Amino acid sequence: DIQMTQSPSSLSASVGDRVTITCRASQNIDKYLNWYQQSPGKAPKLLIYAASRLQSGVPSRFTGSGSGTAFTLTISSLLPEDLATYYCQQSYRTPLTFGGGTKVEIK
Amino acid sequence: QVQLLESGPGLVKPSETLSLTCTVSRDSITSGDFYWSWIRQSAGKGLEWIGRINPSGSTDYNPSLKSRVTISIDTSRNQFSLELYFVTAADTAVYYCARDVFAILGLVHNWFDPWGQGALVTVSS
Repeated sequence: DIQMTQSPSSLSASVGDRVTITCRASQNIDKYLNWYQQSPGKAPKLLIYAASRLQSGVPSRFTGSGSGTAFTLTISSLLPEDLATYYCQQSYRTPLTFGGGTKVEIK
Repeated sequence: QVQLLESGPGLVKPSETLSLTCTVSRDSITSGDFYWSWIRQSAGKGLEWIGRINPSGSTDYNPSLKSRVTISIDTSRNQFSLELYFVTAADTAVYYCARDVFAILGLVHNWFDPWGQGALVTVSS
């Protein structure tokens, strides 16, 4: 199985801060990487697909980048509604696998 | 906007079978280049993909669960279902159904969108 490792596991930032979350794959997955946001008590929601493509309706402050084994999700200016846990997921090969999540808290 | 909704018992006894159904609304389960997936989330193992099915009935399963899982589809009811056999406490989780979207972006990519709201299933006697 392809292992997905996220860092940090949690972070606390202020409104307006730039936030960066890292996801690493255990092998080359090209750009087969998706990002999801899970707000408290809710189901995950797609933010970014194919490493850098913004899902329709998702605010432009979210950007994804990377390829191969290293990927990042950046929130350019954190808002209170961005309080959530963020997950990466590889779609290169089955079984499809997820990272352990990064919990973003607001200071 | 397509919607998915999970339904089924919230409590299952150890060694019995967990059965859940996902009802798809506002679109046909046979439209587009989609598979339909089951994913679970537990405190211990995070998000775990269980498997998927397409409208023709072709399935992919996670090898870690393959021996205990069946996913089926009923296109006439716009539903797909999950059966997990011989459950233990380790199968306690929130179970999500999700649409598995495939698209050609140079190569074929896929992602989960949207997800159902989730169904908590507890395995306990």
